[in-house]
Amino acid sequence: DQQVKQNSPSLSVQEGRISILNCDYTNSMFDYFLWYKKYPAEGPTFLISISSIKDKNEDGRFTVFLNKSAKHLSLHIVPSQPGDSAVYFCAAMETGTYKYIFGTGTRLKVLA
Amino acid sequence: NAGVTQTPKFQVLKTGQSMTLQCAQDMNHEYMSWYRQDPGMGLRLIHYSVGAGITDQGEVPNGYNVSRSTTEDFPLRLLSAAPSQTSVYFCASSYFRQDQTGELFFGEGSRLTVL
Repeated sequence: DQQVKQNSPSLSVQEGRISILNCDYTNSMFDYFLWYKKYPAEGPTFLISISSIKDKNEDGRFTVFLNKSAKHLSLHIVPSQPGDSAVYFCAAMETGTYKYIFGTGTRLKVLA
Repeated sequence: NAGVTQTPKFQVLKTGQSMTLQCAQDMNHEYMSWYRQDPGMGLRLIHYSVGAGITDQGEVPNGYNVSRSTTEDFPLRLLSAAPSQTSVYFCASSYFRQDQTGELFFGEGSRLTVL
């Protein structure tokens, strides 16, 4: 049973516009959430994270929003650039076990 | 600073053969883990460790063994490879202190094909 879900396998956005990637989770014991970016034939690289005590975290063009009551988080990229084209994974860490569970990923394509 | 180093990068095995995927990190991270990436399945946790001498199972541990004798190394062993283990394997590490961990740092991956 998938505890972290990314229901959109792919997303296309025009350069300069906002990209919104969504992630849902089911486990109430998750208290730390992360987003990763992955290019082909490379390992995932960390983008941004958020603790469950916050509802927003920003880092440059990237903002993560957390809605604990809905068990939902999203990543906003503004403005989107062609170099942002990659697969994005959300991940959640479970309190106590320290397991990091990943979603299935969303392939973002930013069109020039 | 090498970060997380995985070897080999590519490996082809026959069904029933055994092998070890090596993972080493030079960041003095206590936390290490192994994932496999398969199409449409994302990254699935195989095994993880919060420190030397401590290992635990992830989401898909069957068919894999791990040990953690040093802080730096976390090898993943396939005792009898099966075609279902054809995948790309990633090792990742993180700091672990005061019951908290941070972001995972990943290696470049090891592509394994089992015939």
